[in-house]
Amino acid sequence: GQQLNQSPQSMFIQEGEDVSMNCTSSSIFNTWLWYKQDPGEGPVLLIALYKAGELTSNGRLTAQFGITRKDSFLNISASIPSDVGIYFCAGQRNNDMRFGAGTRLTVKP
Amino acid sequence: DAGVIQSPRHEVTEMGQEVTLRCKPISGHDYLFWYRQTMMRGLELLIYFNNNVPIDDSGMPEDRFSAKMPNASFSTLKIQPSEPRDSAVYFCASSFGSGGQYFGPGTRLTVL
Repeated sequence: GQQLNQSPQSMFIQEGEDVSMNCTSSSIFNTWLWYKQDPGEGPVLLIALYKAGELTSNGRLTAQFGITRKDSFLNISASIPSDVGIYFCAGQRNNDMRFGAGTRLTVKP
Repeated sequence: DAGVIQSPRHEVTEMGQEVTLRCKPISGHDYLFWYRQTMMRGLELLIYFNNNVPIDDSGMPEDRFSAKMPNASFSTLKIQPSEPRDSAVYFCASSFGSGGQYFGPGTRLTVL
């Protein structure tokens, strides 16, 4: 099936810095979602976007559904050590969901 | 809510043995999904159900894999016979309609 291109693959940042990651696809999706996965756990839903152009915030997290419906970005402001983990984007059309390869975030205190 | 429940959390078995993974979705959710996660291939959708009916099983690797959902609160993923290349983390997820999917903690399967 179609794959999502997620970048960057990994990030090493200092506590307090802002983070930005994005996802692109050659296909159109109806919904974009962002998940975070901690070691030994399942992905946890952070933000869901349902309309092209939609900009949604959840605390320090902000995500946008691209106008073309083929991309999305996630920003994390003022990072803290507990933001460490792997962040996955997911594009969904009906109930078929495809995941990006993930962005591994390391936050140095 | 307890969230999606999966069992066992870890399974170690020998090649050729039958493996059964279990999932209890979030109450009220009408969709249930089975995923497999590996380093090489990331998260892959294996099969999903709507109202206990399998809708799309195109992601199931081969006939050794089968999934059932006998009722709204229980699903199984079975591998028979298991092979070392089946080693992965298997996730169950559920959703209401086409909303966001909520994942269980996963079952880490090791086939020796």
